[in-house]
Amino acid sequence: GQQLNQSPQSMFIQEGEDVSMNCTSSSIFNTWLWYKQDPGEGPVLLIALYKAGELTSNGRLTAQFGITRKDSFLNISASIPSDVGIYFCAGQLILGNEKLTFGTGTRLTIIP
Amino acid sequence: GAVVSQHPSRVICKSGTSVKIECRSLDFQATTMFWYRQFPKQSLMLMATSNEGSKATYEQGVEKDKFLINHASLTLSTLTVTSAHPEDSSFYICSARTSGGYEQFFGPGTRLTVL
Repeated sequence: GQQLNQSPQSMFIQEGEDVSMNCTSSSIFNTWLWYKQDPGEGPVLLIALYKAGELTSNGRLTAQFGITRKDSFLNISASIPSDVGIYFCAGQLILGNEKLTFGTGTRLTIIP
Repeated sequence: GAVVSQHPSRVICKSGTSVKIECRSLDFQATTMFWYRQFPKQSLMLMATSNEGSKATYEQGVEKDKFLINHASLTLSTLTVTSAHPEDSSFYICSARTSGGYEQFFGPGTRLTVL
């Protein structure tokens, strides 16, 4: 099935640094979502974007829905140890009733 | 609110046996539930969409006779892996969408190991 491409694939940063990751698709989505998954757990929703160009924040997290509807980015400011995990973007064609297509994931590791 | 549970959290079985995984919405009614499979260090791949009271819709390449899905109530969907083989070993995750809502809430996953 279709997958969204995320970059970078992995990141190694120091605590306190800012993080930026993005997600691109060859096709349009009408909703973009960002999830975080901890080891052995299901994904947890971080931010949902419903409108092209929308910029939304959730605490230290900021995400944007690309104007072309084919991309999105997620920024994390002032990273802390609990930010460690795998971040997935997901696209949804039809709001609410349609399946999610997940990205390939970005693994974030914080170096002590 | 909006909690989804899965049972069991992990299961080990012998090749050829069948395994049933339950997905429950604990504090809301879910007309639609989704089943995903995640192999190590890979993304979540949708297997099927389960609607209460009707047949599940399977994604291309997913064998419906091997992965039996039953969504008999608004709070429970089950996935049965029939005649499991080692290549079926994976992390199976369900999600549930509230009736009239947009967000999917994910369960904690079930790790299946087939020996």
